[in-house]
This record gives sequence, structure tokens and C-alpha cells, in this order.
Amino acid sequence: GQNIDQPTEMTATEGAIVQINCTYQTSGFNGLFWYQQHAGEAPTFLSYNVLDGLEEKGRFSSFLSRSKGYSYLLLKELQMKDSASYLCAVRDYRGTDSWGKLQFGAGTQVVVTP
Amino acid sequence: EAQVTQNPRYLITVTGKKLTVTCSQNMNHEYMSWYRQDPGLGLRQIYYSMNVEVTDKGDVPEGYKVSRKEKRNFPLILESPSPNQTSLYFCASSFGEGDAQYFGPGTRLLVL
Repeated sequence: GQNIDQPTEMTATEGAIVQINCTYQTSGFNGLFWYQQHAGEAPTFLSYNVLDGLEEKGRFSSFLSRSKGYSYLLLKELQMKDSASYLCAVRDYRGTDSWGKLQFGAGTQVVVTP
Repeated sequence: EAQVTQNPRYLITVTGKKLTVTCSQNMNHEYMSWYRQDPGLGLRQIYYSMNVEVTDKGDVPEGYKVSRKEKRNFPLILESPSPNQTSLYFCASSFGEGDAQYFGPGTRLLVL
């Protein structure tokens, strides 16, 4: 989506930590999702942030700062199976009755090397 | 097993030949959506449905139609496919519009 920016590719070594940043612009922020997508497969849900702060789920954590329009996904103790594309998606509420449109970023390809 | 299924998984067709991609979910989800994924553009929403008989346009609805006659099914119809509709298509569902979505395995479409 044109209002969501994330790096195209990142490379890291097995066992290391990688931080994937996502910046966004919305008229009415209403939640941010992170999805993981392995090559040739469907996206799978990783995390959801709607309030500022850090959400931790095992090796994966996601952080949100609404005032800065910024989120990051932190992957710790990287494993080879973490090589995938990571999609940032933002819900933009535009004053309708619904929750708002979900806009996806183009994704960040993470390559984990031995 | 809770899942979203799509058929066909791969399809090669010619310009102008009507086609339908089926999507079905067995989780009793109210919200369903269709996306297309193209290199460098990410996932873009085509149409979505908040419940039976309730559908609305996403960001790129031109050239597509949908229907939601039953809760579990949400077919995507291309009345007259064109080469610019060559893409990877995903169906997704969730309990509600604000919830995390479950994606189907994808349908890779080539329009010649």
C-alpha cells in the first residue's frame, strides 16, 4: 500500500535478532497487524497492536507507537524456518460504519543465513 | 480442521473467457475478503463481505464480481478476464472485520 513503508529485504544470521520496521500514514488508525508469508504460501497471522507498547509472543514481539506512525516486528533467536516475507497491515478508519480498510505493505523479505 | 479452501489452485485461461474462483471456510466466520498479490505491490483488497448478502468494494474492484449467498462461500467472478488480471489471488476470512484473517492457499491465475 502506498501509505505503508517497510524495507524490501533484510539478511541476518541464524541465532541473531532482526528488527523489521514499518511506518504508516492514516487518517484514522484502528489497528496494525503483522503477517508471515513463506514463499508460495498463504500469509499467516503473527501479531496485532492497537495500543502503544510492546506485545510479546515467544520469539516474536511487535511494538507500536501511534504518535509516530511506527511499528516494528522483532524476531529473536532466528531460525532458518524464519526466512519468509513479513507483511505489515494497517487498518485505516475513515468515518464509515465499518472498522476501516485494511492496507498491506509490500512486505519485507527476511533471509536467514547459517 | 479449520481452514479456508480455494479452487482452482492454478488456472491458465484466455482473454474474455469467464471464470470463477471458489472460496469456502468452515469456521463460521462472518467476514470474508478477496485479495490479489503482485510483486512490489503487496496484497490489495478486491472485495469484501461482512455477512451474507452484504458485500462492498475494496481498493481494486474493477473487472471483478463477488456474491455471498451462504456464510461459508465467497466466490470471485471474472466476467471477462484480461492479462492485467494475471496475479496470485487469496481469499481470507475472520470472525469480524477487526479480527485477524485466515488466508486460503492462493490461486495463481494466468490470463493470456
